[in-house]
Amino acid sequence: QSVLTQPPSASGTPGQRLTISCSGSSSNIGSYSVNWYQQLPGTAPKLLIHSDNERPSGVPDRFSGSKSGTAASLAISGLQSEDEADYYCATWDDNLSGVFGTGTKVTVL
Amino acid sequence: QVQLVQSGAEVKKPGSSVKVSCQASGGTFRTYIISWVRQAPGQGLEWMGRIIPMLNLDNYAQKFQGRVTITADKSTSTAYMELTNLRSEDTAVYYCAMEAQGRLMKFDSWGQGTLVTVSA
Repeated sequence: QSVLTQPPSASGTPGQRLTISCSGSSSNIGSYSVNWYQQLPGTAPKLLIHSDNERPSGVPDRFSGSKSGTAASLAISGLQSEDEADYYCATWDDNLSGVFGTGTKVTVL
Repeated sequence: QVQLVQSGAEVKKPGSSVKVSCQASGGTFRTYIISWVRQAPGQGLEWMGRIIPMLNLDNYAQKFQGRVTITADKSTSTAYMELTNLRSEDTAVYYCAMEAQGRLMKFDSWGQGTLVTVSA
């Protein structure tokens, strides 16, 4: 089982703002940067947000990340149909192990 | 950007081993860190372990300790992941992913994935 907890699903209508949470502990999120990945069906994950709130070049500014204490969040503003995907948070843990969140499936209604 | 190309799909019997390769091109292999991540059908991502080729240093998730070995050949810019004593629960897509040193779990590049099916 993952030590990072995300809601299994989230949904919204086009144009809405959606927020996905990622809850951890002092040994992971509380101590290390959080990264977010988007995974479209049948494809490898893609880096969406790194270092808590930085966007790689090419990622739309509709995507933003934040972190406070032992929790992180990914926000998608102006939701679009192509945002339908699975989203994962990821960070390091003090036990010298990488950890991923449980994953959130985003549906655009 | 670095490109990672993995070996092809495998079908294995329970109790056997599998070795998946991941070849990098377009970057300086020895300066990066390669992790292996797997995804069982319909499930989430699971970090298995990583190797720092420059230091030949590896570490593994506790769940896989003793069953997985990650190695790297700097001369061919190729990383390998070997998983032994396979069971049906190991059926998954296995990805290699590359991060820059000091950028923990920030994977800028991913392989295309290798499906490993464990079946009698």
